[in-house]
Amino acid sequence: DVKVTQSSRYLVKRTGEKVFLECVQDMDHENMFWYRQDPGLGLRLIYFSYDVKMKEKGDIPEGYSVSREKKERFSLILESASTNQTSMYLCASAPGGLAYEQYFGPGTRLTVT
Amino acid sequence: AQTVTQSQPEMSVQEAETVTLSCTYDTSENNYYLFWYKQPPSRQMILVIRQEAYKQQNATENRFSVNFQKAAKSFSLKISDSQLGDTAMYFCAFMNKRGGGGSNYKLTFGKGTLLTVNP
Repeated sequence: DVKVTQSSRYLVKRTGEKVFLECVQDMDHENMFWYRQDPGLGLRLIYFSYDVKMKEKGDIPEGYSVSREKKERFSLILESASTNQTSMYLCASAPGGLAYEQYFGPGTRLTVT
Repeated sequence: AQTVTQSQPEMSVQEAETVTLSCTYDTSENNYYLFWYKQPPSRQMILVIRQEAYKQQNATENRFSVNFQKAAKSFSLKISDSQLGDTAMYFCAFMNKRGGGGSNYKLTFGKGTLLTVNP
């Protein structure tokens, strides 16, 4: 079974802190994604990566950056956390080619106070 | 840009009954995928069913089936013999079938429908 893990289920940070959310997949997938999930808004794509060190902006990249130094790990970075970044963050991975089979992690619920 | 609309924020159904969740989408593309994802309370999102736009036959996975109407850009999910474990948020999603990597792999999600199965 594909396993996508995220470093924390719950995280509380203060405004202005630098926050790292980590995602690891164990299926050698080329593609990895970070989504943000908010009630009434569904899931929105923040960034994705289709190879090591490769990344593309999604729909809402402002305030976020990403890092992919190894194939299995994709990090989401909030350079200076703000209260409007309080949300559920979901990581997903998918194999190369047509990446229509996205496997999701359990999510990290981030609260910024 | 593609959009996905789920017009039912919440629905409920009695155990063992059938329920249909609605989804419409807007795209100028001809080749694409449509998906239904399920997110149970406090659990991971999983893929329920996938439909390729060029296939006229509706996809089926056990108790889950879709009604895909390409001309109407409609993609509803029918759950038969509902079970308590079907209680979840359900998301409809769209992906272009262009290949070539990068932004072609972007999933566009609807806002979700919260389904509650009552005993």
